[in-house]
Amino acid sequence: EAQVTQNPRYLITVTGKKLTVTCSQNMNHEYMSWYRQDPGLGLRQIYYSMNVEVTDKGDVPEGYKVSRKEKRNFPLILESPSPNQTSLYFCASSSGTYNTEAFFGQGTRLTVV
Amino acid sequence: RKEVEQDPGPFNVPEGATVAFNCTYSNSASQSFFWYRQDCRKEPKLLMSVYSSGNEDGRFTAQLNRASQYISLLIRDSKLSDSATYLCVVISMEYGNKLVFGAGTILRVKS
Repeated sequence: EAQVTQNPRYLITVTGKKLTVTCSQNMNHEYMSWYRQDPGLGLRQIYYSMNVEVTDKGDVPEGYKVSRKEKRNFPLILESPSPNQTSLYFCASSSGTYNTEAFFGQGTRLTVV
Repeated sequence: RKEVEQDPGPFNVPEGATVAFNCTYSNSASQSFFWYRQDCRKEPKLLMSVYSSGNEDGRFTAQLNRASQYISLLIRDSKLSDSATYLCVVISMEYGNKLVFGAGTILRVKS
């Protein structure tokens, strides 16, 4: 089954404690990205990757890091989480051409206290 | 100004009603357009692509007006199961095929 898998689904952490949210896709997609969703603001892109070892900033990259060492994996790293990073996070992948469907993971609900 | 703007709603309609949502985009270089559906903070899923000539999928019709830079979604004969948030999505190749989302329009269909 074609899917994007994120882990964990829910996480409560404390300010400053490094965390990683994993994302894996089994569709051999080149394009992967991370979004955060906040009430009234919609989904905003954090980082994206057009292929292995190629990553770039999205609209709200501050406080986040990513890596793309393998095509299937695209982890999101919060080196020092802060309360303003409390949000719902989605990983997405697509084939990379502009007219194709994006597939989303089930989301990670992160709370930073 | 946001790149993609939608009326947030909520639109409260009775079963069987016809409802229409509009979405405007600011980047004239945008090349691909979609409607995604999101249920109760779950992941967005593709509802339909939007083509220049307009397209229909069952009870759903999507239209694109490039001159005025807006996209519309029409839902006929609304069902309770249509209750969701509808996200307008625009892609421009000049931004590395980035999906730009509207904030979403909430639809509530009531019996």
